[in-house]
Amino acid sequence: KAGVTQTPRYLIKTRGQQVTLSCSPISGHRSVSWYQQTPGQGLQFLFEYFSETQRNKGNFPGRFSGRQFSNSRSEMNVSTLELGDSALYLCASKGGGRYEQYFGPGTRLTVT
Amino acid sequence: KNEVEQSPQNLTAQEGEFITINCSYSVGISALHWLQQHPGGGIVSLFMLSSGKKKHGRLIATINIQEKHSSLHITASHPRDSAVYICAVRKDDKIIFGKGTRLHILP
Repeated sequence: KAGVTQTPRYLIKTRGQQVTLSCSPISGHRSVSWYQQTPGQGLQFLFEYFSETQRNKGNFPGRFSGRQFSNSRSEMNVSTLELGDSALYLCASKGGGRYEQYFGPGTRLTVT
Repeated sequence: KNEVEQSPQNLTAQEGEFITINCSYSVGISALHWLQQHPGGGIVSLFMLSSGKKKHGRLIATINIQEKHSSLHITASHPRDSAVYICAVRKDDKIIFGKGTRLHILP
């Protein structure tokens, strides 16, 4: 089975712009979670989607949003980028009824 | 105070040494994960525990639910074990991460 894939792997944006990141889960996995990792805050949970519905949300401003499509692929969007949004964004998928997550390689976003 | 605390933050050891990384949490959880992150960012899930002990190769993970504490042990450590090890707990369908332990094994 192919693993979790994320695109793009690297991205440079300027303040005020918006960005969309994509995550394709392992085939058959319906849950996709997104995480932000920064040197200062470590890993933080952004949100989780299951069957096209947001199931949980972390403590991030409304500039961070996401969605999931019928094929379980997920996108997250960050609008009005700030310098502090520079981070590694990771997604993870898991299969039904299981806690174990499989992480993608991440998208490294740099905001200048 | 963070809900998930790891110690030590950094650890340097010689190849072959027995390594212990600790994780304490202050919330009720349904599961605890140990993750490994190599330079470059890739994260691998090592263990998911809800009780007792699990072993995979040279890695052993234990959890004490009453004491809200988990340990990750590495036997016969090797330079390829050098990575950041992250403890994460599942609470109410959300995951809370520790800050990680940076492990460096010297040849």
